[in-house]
Parts: sequence; structure tokens; C-alpha cells
Amino acid sequence: DAGVIQSPRHEVTEMGQEVTLRCKPISGHNSLFWYRQTMMRGLELLIYFNNNVPIDDSGMPEDRFSAKMPNASFSTLKIQPSEPRDSAVYFCASSLGLAGGWQFFGPGTRLTVL
Amino acid sequence: SQKIEQNSEALNIQEGKTATLTCNYTNYSPAYLQWYRQDPGRGPVFLLLIRENEKEKRKERLKVTFDTTLKQSLFHITASQPADSATYLCALDGTGSARQLTFGSGTQLTVLP
Repeated sequence: DAGVIQSPRHEVTEMGQEVTLRCKPISGHNSLFWYRQTMMRGLELLIYFNNNVPIDDSGMPEDRFSAKMPNASFSTLKIQPSEPRDSAVYFCASSLGLAGGWQFFGPGTRLTVL
Repeated sequence: SQKIEQNSEALNIQEGKTATLTCNYTNYSPAYLQWYRQDPGRGPVFLLLIRENEKEKRKERLKVTFDTTLKQSLFHITASQPADSATYLCALDGTGSARQLTFGSGTQLTVLP
């Protein structure tokens, strides 16, 4: 298995533009997580899906952020419009969804908003 | 609110020594605690999980302890090597409806040759 796949690996955009980050979880995993990592705030959970259904989106900063999981093998995180303070590394992770189950992280997308 | 603290942002030790990293938490009683390793430019990688009813867990040169009275976990790397240099994150199940993980800010370990 190739592990969790994220694209793009790097994204540089200008303030106000729409940004779409993509994730392919490990096959057979039924839980998917989107995180944001910054030096100031560390690794923060943005949203969590179980069986393609959003379970907890309390970490989504504001309405500019949205996430979808149309099927078990694909998820997107969209920021519209983007702002410089959105600059961070965004990670997608997947797991089997069992209590105590550990998560497998993708390589991340480094987003820079100018 | 739930809070996780990991000792000092950076820890430097000499090769061959034992590295000990600390994870303290407040205002919560997690059912389990996990440790991850993160290398620069990469995502975190799972290392070990310990449950609330376990005192200690070992895996090769790694050892984790979990003291629910002190609300603390210790992560030990024995016979440390320069290749162990990385950031180590602790994570505990949170208060969300699905008890998803909350991560500490991490400790950056450097093993000096």
C-alpha cells in the first residue's frame, strides 16, 4: 500500500484565491482526519470523517474552510477565499476507526498564502 | 479545558544515553495515550500506544510509561542514536464525540554523536 496520499505537496497562492487540498486514505480505513500544523499552534484537528460522514468539524476555523468526502477513497479540504494566516502544513490521516486506533499520516501539503 | 504539555521544546543528549521525554495532561482522563515521531518535512509516524490500565509498554529500544495518578506519560529511548533525532509528539484521546486524538506540541530531540 502506498500509504496516505496527499496532493499537491506544495501550494503557493495569493490572498483571496481558492485552494483545494486532496487526500487519498489507505484502502480499508474508514476514518479520515484533516489537521493543520503551525509553529505557534502545533498540530490541530480540523475535521474528522467516519464512513465518509463528517463527525466533528468543530476545529474548522471559519466558514472559509470546507471539507468533503464523496467516497471512501477521496477527500478534499477547500479554503475560499484564502488568507495569509492560513499558511501552514495541512495533513490528512486515516485509521481503522477503532477506539484507540492509531493514525497514518500523509506527507502533508505546505500551503503559503501571499 | 483539556491541556497537554510536553517537556522543553528541545532536548539534546549524547549518543548511547537514554532520552526521556515527558507528556503531562490536565483536566482529562484519557483511555489511552499514543506517541508519534515526526521528521522534518514529513507527517507524524505512530510509535507506541499505551492504555490507561497499563503501566508500561516496550518496543525494541522504546519504553513508555503511563501514570494516571500523576497524569503523566514518560517516553524513553535507550541507547540513543543520531538517527533517533526527530520531534516526538504525544497524543491522547480527546473529549470529542468520537474521542479523536489531541496532540501535544512535541519535543525536538537531538542525539549528538
